[in-house]
Amino acid sequence: AQSVTQPDIHITVSEGASLELRCNYSYGATPYLFWYVQSPGQGLQLLLKYFSGDTLVQGIKGFEAEFKRSQSSFNLRKPSVHWSDAAEYFCAVGAQGNFGNEKLTFGTGTRLTIIP
Amino acid sequence: DAGVTQSPTHLIKTRGQQVTLRCSPKSGHDTVSWYQQALGQGPQFIFQYYEEEERQRGNFPDRFSGHQFPNYSSELNVNALLLGDSALYLCASSLYPGQGKAGTFGSGTRLTVV
Repeated sequence: AQSVTQPDIHITVSEGASLELRCNYSYGATPYLFWYVQSPGQGLQLLLKYFSGDTLVQGIKGFEAEFKRSQSSFNLRKPSVHWSDAAEYFCAVGAQGNFGNEKLTFGTGTRLTIIP
Repeated sequence: DAGVTQSPTHLIKTRGQQVTLRCSPKSGHDTVSWYQQALGQGPQFIFQYYEEEERQRGNFPDRFSGHQFPNYSSELNVNALLLGDSALYLCASSLYPGQGKAGTFGSGTRLTVV
């Protein structure tokens, strides 16, 4: 069975500082990997996804993530955070197959707080 | 281009009652998945519908059932509500086949069971 671990429940970063959110997954084959962001009371917005190919993927809002198979990781990074980045971030893994990436397994999320 | 639309946005029900939540997929999408997100948790997969049939199901009891209509919209039904069913229910839509695509999520329905 697939699983996702987000080790950091809460991270506080100063505005303008760099950010890295950790994600480790467990899956028997090459996974589909996703990062979503959720503002309070809202749905999920896709930041970026990895399906195959280049292991460094670029997303929206200046985010990027790197797939490292040897470490079973898919960490999210941003070189300089903005106050509007404060939100909950979820890493998710999906199985390959016609319906696999609809059945996502999510981590418990990392809450990001930005301080001035 | 309308995204995924869910209704209602908020709902309060009494323990033991039944509830129906609705989802209209993004235009051009034909597959609908439902997730439950308890407070402080990540979403958990409930089930998925394609061609009006349930294609995959997560670890949820039979009290949770669904339906997909010919226009691809979907309903989630929960019977005999428990306090623990209080959560944000998210709908996601996509286009079959799913490889290489990510689903689009709606804003959810906040269900409170009292």
